[in-house]
Amino acid sequence: NAGVMQNPRHLVRRRGQEARLRCSPMKGHSHVYWYRQLPEEGLKFMVYLQKENIIDESGMPKERFSAEFPKEGPSILRIQQVVRGDSAAYFCASSPPGTGGNYEQYFGPGTRLTVT
Amino acid sequence: QQPVQSPQAVILREGEDAVINCSSSKALYSVHWYRQKHGEAPVFLMILLKGGEQKGHEKISASFNEKKQQSSLYLTASQLSYSGTYFCGTDTNAGKSTFGDGTTLTVKP
Repeated sequence: NAGVMQNPRHLVRRRGQEARLRCSPMKGHSHVYWYRQLPEEGLKFMVYLQKENIIDESGMPKERFSAEFPKEGPSILRIQQVVRGDSAAYFCASSPPGTGGNYEQYFGPGTRLTVT
Repeated sequence: QQPVQSPQAVILREGEDAVINCSSSKALYSVHWYRQKHGEAPVFLMILLKGGEQKGHEKISASFNEKKQQSSLYLTASQLSYSGTYFCGTDTNAGKSTFGDGTTLTVKP
């Protein structure tokens, strides 16, 4: 059973470009979470999605950031007009169907975004 | 509001025990524990649910005091492989987990 997959693993963008981060949850999982982690810091919640629905996006910056989890295909975290402060590791996690809080989350390997 | 973890860092010798604490100011539905090694993804260790149900690692134990909104992770007879940063994640039954800032554990030979 393949784990959570994220790509790309490393992404370099210049200021003002767009970054697209992809996450394929574990087979059978319908809940996806995105987190941001700065070096030597904790995981900061960004958004919680189920198929075709954004359940909680309280951790997402109001501008430039968006997320989706379509019926078919991976979840996408999109950052428009990136700035240096967006440089971080972005982790995706998934959990099985049911109440999100009942289940453990399985993390992908992360995408390390560097903005130059 | 994110949970508070203590201590921030622990240094142990192999075979020693450690306790990591996680406190929240909000009523909790569940507490999750994860370990992250440098440059890697967090790995699930244990989940504790309101009402006493637990699921997780055989060699690691944890407690969840619902009234005090606290959880503790117990690492006994520590091994070198236990080194890493431990995060607790708390859930108020909204599905979203909020993580603490982590406790860095270093186990020395």
